[in-house]
Amino acid sequence: QKEVEQNSGPLSVPEGAIASLNCTYSDRGSQSFFWYRQYSGKSPELIMSIYSNGDKEDGRFTAQLNKASQYVSLLIRDSQPSDSATYLCAALYNFNKFYFGSGTKLNVKP
Amino acid sequence: DAGVIQSPRHEVTEMGQEVTLRCKPISGHNSLFWYRQTMMRGLELLIYFNNNVPIDDSGMPEDRFSAKMPNASFSTLKIQPSEPRDSAVYFCASSFEGAARYFGPGTRLTVT
Repeated sequence: QKEVEQNSGPLSVPEGAIASLNCTYSDRGSQSFFWYRQYSGKSPELIMSIYSNGDKEDGRFTAQLNKASQYVSLLIRDSQPSDSATYLCAALYNFNKFYFGSGTKLNVKP
Repeated sequence: DAGVIQSPRHEVTEMGQEVTLRCKPISGHNSLFWYRQTMMRGLELLIYFNNNVPIDDSGMPEDRFSAKMPNASFSTLKIQPSEPRDSAVYFCASSFEGAARYFGPGTRLTVT
């Protein structure tokens, strides 16, 4: 079992819709969670971090954490074609173990 | 502020040659990570340093790979001899106190 799991997609949504990306993790001892966006041919770019249960909003992005159910999600409101990328979920354990999921590819269709 | 800097951005070499990848972390960050990314295996952690000291090199595929961090602002990843299966994108990332990783632009390595 992988420490962090994501559906590889692709997830296709129309422009202007809400894109919902999900991630589950296996270790309840994890402390922090991160979402990265990676455009094709580029490096992963940190877009959100979340440390406590609940929602965290930043512009069109909302990260949600539910530690009891061991899942993390990223909502992208008013999706734009420029949001088309692979989104990587990551979890930090014990302050030095950092695990990436395999990523979900998002396609936003004009 | 400058992010993580890597060089070269692209490297094409022949099998058997030595390859050296370079990285300058974000100033003030005390952890540095080398990752490799391929379509088949995704993002793999090769090695990480904390305060210039290698902490975990369990991801280094074999003895052909070595990494050094002589000071807080510079690290190298060396492959000697290189093989076609080493072809991948190599990322350097840095962080402060083990928090979020910030990635450099990567080096695309092609070994023919």
